[in-house]
Amino acid sequence: GENVEQHPSTLSVQEGDSAVIKCTYSDSASNYFPWYKQELGKGPQLIIDIRSNVGEKKDQRIAVTLNKTAKHFSLHITETQPEDSAVYFCAASPLDNYGQNFVFGPGTRLSVLP
Amino acid sequence: DVKVTQSSRYLVKRTGEKVFLECVQDMDHENMFWYRQDPGLGLRLIYFSYDVKMKEKGDIPEGYSVSREKKERFSLILESASTNQTSMYLCASSLGQKNSPLHFGNGTRLTVT
Repeated sequence: GENVEQHPSTLSVQEGDSAVIKCTYSDSASNYFPWYKQELGKGPQLIIDIRSNVGEKKDQRIAVTLNKTAKHFSLHITETQPEDSAVYFCAASPLDNYGQNFVFGPGTRLSVLP
Repeated sequence: DVKVTQSSRYLVKRTGEKVFLECVQDMDHENMFWYRQDPGLGLRLIYFSYDVKMKEKGDIPEGYSVSREKKERFSLILESASTNQTSMYLCASSLGQKNSPLHFGNGTRLTVT
């Protein structure tokens, strides 16, 4: 079955710097990759997602890139702000997934230092 | 925006009690899910439901059951709570289409003493 690895497990950056979190997946048939942000005391919130027919997607300061050949995808946050501090999870979705087969990465704790 | 509401943020129960965790979504989503989240173990799927009165086991269903009598409501039941069920419980919903994103509630932190 699918396996998702996520690195780094913790990341500290200075405010204004960029942050990059990388995930790798094992099942080449996976075709949908969402990213979630979980703030302290809250549930995960979808922040961006990408499908396998697209190589890159941007939404303001957040971007996701996908390399299907290498089976990895990355989250890029530019001009980081203290409110970006949270745990970020990537996920991979295999074919025919109606929600029951998402495989999540273990999470990255991002700290943005003022 | 989709809103998934879990009725309790914190619960403290005693071993052996029957525990009900309630979840309501307001976007007419077909699918609903219960996860538990534990440090070092990530998100693990307990049960899910594609439709009213339908339920399917996830990866860790032992010790749990669910109920979906209405489309918008999905309940998780711990028949006899045990200390190893102390955890953060997350409810989620999604559209009934392939590869639709999950929308999570804010979680219920359950402590069983």
